[in-house]
Order: sequence, then structure tokens, then C-alpha cells
Amino acid sequence: DAGVIQSPRHEVTEMGQEVTLRCKPISGHNSLFWYRQTMMRGLELLIYFNNNVPIDDSGMPEDRFSAKMPNASFSTLKIQPSEPRDSAVYFCASGGQGAAVFGTQYFGPGTRLTVL
Amino acid sequence: GENVEQHPSTLSVQEGDSAVIKCTYSDSASNYFPWYKQELGKGPQLIIDIRSNVGEKKDQRIAVTLNKTAKHFSLHITETQPEDSAVYFCAASTGFNKFYFGSGTKLNVKP
Repeated sequence: DAGVIQSPRHEVTEMGQEVTLRCKPISGHNSLFWYRQTMMRGLELLIYFNNNVPIDDSGMPEDRFSAKMPNASFSTLKIQPSEPRDSAVYFCASGGQGAAVFGTQYFGPGTRLTVL
Repeated sequence: GENVEQHPSTLSVQEGDSAVIKCTYSDSASNYFPWYKQELGKGPQLIIDIRSNVGEKKDQRIAVTLNKTAKHFSLHITETQPEDSAVYFCAASTGFNKFYFGSGTKLNVKP
């Protein structure tokens, strides 16, 4: 299995621009998670989906952030407009259990976002 | 919500020595405790996990112990090697897929 795939691996953009991060979960997994990692705040859960449905988006910092999962094999995290404080590494993770059962999460390699 | 505290934040050991990282959690409903290893420039990778019905689990040089009464769990690495150098994260989950991560421990194994 190829594992969780994220693209791009690095993104440099200017303040005010729209940024779209992409994730392909492990085939057969029905849970998908978006995390943000910074030195100051560590690993923060932004949002997670079960069976393509957003379950908990309480970690999404502002309305500038949005996430979608149109099908079981693809998800996007969008920031519009981007700000320098959004600079971080964004991870996507997928898991094999449903909403009512805990399960292991497998992380992708991350996207390093720099907003100038 | 759940609060996970992790100590120490940095740990330096000599190759061959043991390393211990400790985490505490606040929610007694937490029932799943994974440990992740993150190498520079990579995503966290699961190295071992334990569920609340088990007190200890081993996998070669790595072991995890859980004390539900005291609400703490620990990662033990024996015979450390330079390739064990990384940042280690603990996490706790009450179910429903939501993980609460500790702040991480940077382990440095000196050759």
C-alpha cells in the first residue's frame, strides 16, 4: 500500500492567496483527519470525516479554512485568504474504523506551507 | 475535553541505554493510547499502541505500560540506537476517532 498521499509537499504563497492542500487516504479507510503542526501549538486536529461526512470541525481556526471530502479517496483543505500565521506543516491521516469505534491513524508525509 | 501532558520535552541518552517517556491524561474515559515517532521532515509513524484492557505491551525493544488508576502511560525503549533519535508523541483517545496528542519528546541518542 502506498500509504496516505499528500500534495503538494511544499507550498510557498503570498498573503491573501488561496491555498489548496490535497490528500488521498489509504484505500479502505473510512476516517480522514486534517492536522496542523507548529512549534508553538504542537499537533492540532482541525477536522475529521467519517464515511466522507464531517464529524467534528471544532478545530478549524477560522472561516478562512474549509475542508471537503467528495469521495472516499480524496479530500481537500482550503485556506482563503491565507495569512502568514497559517504557515505550518499540515498533515492528513486516515484510519480504518468508523465513528463509534476508535482506530489507529496513519499519517501522510505532510505539506509544509509558507505564507509570505 | 481530554488533556495529555508529556515529559520530558527533551531526552538525551547514550547509545545502548534505556529511554523512558511519560504521559498523563485527564479523562478517565480514554481507552486507547498510541505512540508515534516523527523523524525530521516526515509524518508521525505509529510505533506501538495499547488499549485500556491491557497493562503492558512489548514489541522487540519498545514497550508501553498503562496505569489506569493513576491515569498515566509510558514508553520504554531499551538498548537505544542512533536511529531511535526522533520526536516521540503520545496520544489518548476516548473513542470516536478523536486523538489528543502530547507536546512531544525530542530523543537524542548519542553514539
